[in-house]
Amino acid sequence: RKEVEQDPGPFNVPEGATVAFNCTYSNSASQSFFWYRQDCRKEPKLLMSVYSSGNEDGRFTAQLNRASQYISLLIRDSKLSDSATYLCVVNDYKLSFGAGTTVTVRA
Amino acid sequence: GAGVSQSPSNKVTEKGKDVELRCDPISGHTALYWYRQSLGQGLEFLIYFQGNSAPDKSGLPSDRFSAERTGGSVSTLTIQRTQQEDSAVYLCASSISRRIARGEKLFFGSGTQLSVL
Repeated sequence: RKEVEQDPGPFNVPEGATVAFNCTYSNSASQSFFWYRQDCRKEPKLLMSVYSSGNEDGRFTAQLNRASQYISLLIRDSKLSDSATYLCVVNDYKLSFGAGTTVTVRA
Repeated sequence: GAGVSQSPSNKVTEKGKDVELRCDPISGHTALYWYRQSLGQGLEFLIYFQGNSAPDKSGLPSDRFSAERTGGSVSTLTIQRTQQEDSAVYLCASSISRRIARGEKLFFGSGTQLSVL
């Protein structure tokens, strides 16, 4: 079983739509969690950390469910510029990355 | 420097040759990570350093891969007798500390595109 698993997508959504996707992790001892964004042929960049109580950053909402060992990302009012691959990252001592969920926002 | 610097940005080599990839982390960052990303795939963890020490080398794909870090700064990833399956983007990242707690960021370099012919 992979340490971090994500639905690869792609999620094709119109502008203004809401899109949400999950990531599951296998190491119950993992301490911190993040969402990174990667644009085509670019290096990953931090989108947001994921806090135990859930957190928002503008149109982005992240949730953590430790009991079921998954984290989620929700994007409201999607913009064309949100088109990217979203990487789930779990700090299980070596920072394990998921393979990414591709989101395409169309006009 | 202002960010994580990797060199070369592109490397084309012949099968069987050795290559050396360099990572210059942000000054003061004690933790340094190497990842590999094949086309259309996720990031594969290779190795991390805390200072000059690499506590876990189990992510390295084979004994042809080795890495070192000197002076708590620059790191070099060496691939000996390269194979075509080694072709990928090799990404280096650094952070202030190993904990990567909330608010701390992992900064990535722009990667080295390795092509083995």
